[in-house]
Amino acid sequence: ETGVTQTPRHLVMGMTNKKSLKCEQHLGHNAMYWYKQSAKKPLELMFVYSLEERVENNSVPSRFSPECPNSSHLFLHLHTLQPEDSALYLCASSQDLGVGNTEAFFGQGTRLTVV
Amino acid sequence: TQLLEQSPQFLSIQEGENLTVYCNSSSVFSSLQWYRQEPGEGPVLLVTVVTGGEVKKLKRLTFQFGDARKDSSLHITAAQPGDTGLYLCAGAVIHGGSQGNLIFGKGTKLSVKP
Repeated sequence: ETGVTQTPRHLVMGMTNKKSLKCEQHLGHNAMYWYKQSAKKPLELMFVYSLEERVENNSVPSRFSPECPNSSHLFLHLHTLQPEDSALYLCASSQDLGVGNTEAFFGQGTRLTVV
Repeated sequence: TQLLEQSPQFLSIQEGENLTVYCNSSSVFSSLQWYRQEPGEGPVLLVTVVTGGEVKKLKRLTFQFGDARKDSSLHITAAQPGDTGLYLCAGAVIHGGSQGNLIFGKGTKLSVKP
């Protein structure tokens, strides 16, 4: 039990499909994040939520749409993706956003392949 | 743009050897974290260092935060095959709209052969 659970673990989708990634955290944390991990690149922060409110969107294309219905759940809705969007998508949570509370606990990730 | 440079990018050693990986930046961080990631899994937090010059030990792993809080090192003594993985450093930014967010390095991919 990692405390942060992501589903599905693997996803193959066509460029015209719509799919959603789900993340659930059981740690009582207030902040949740979506990261993208591609080969040969650092982890890229996509979205940050604090207490269900989006506080950061790092210039992510609109084909990625996050949703945070409560502090324990985070979704990433995907539509009309491109092959270059294929990557490992990681969800993380931390106690809060404030300095000193940034230790991130990650889920196992969703390996996404866009064909 | 804040960057964290990790070196080396790849490291392949024999069981029992010692190694050091480095994490450098021109930015000052409020804290720095080290994670290990195994294939197909998410990163797992190993340690957080907060004070300049701080040294923390976790069994055979020794972590050091630079005096100026811009760099860090991870030293592994007598490496074992179980240490194999991607080691990521991440700095928590102090200033700007991204307060509280982490900046990640590209990682050092370590392979320890039996």
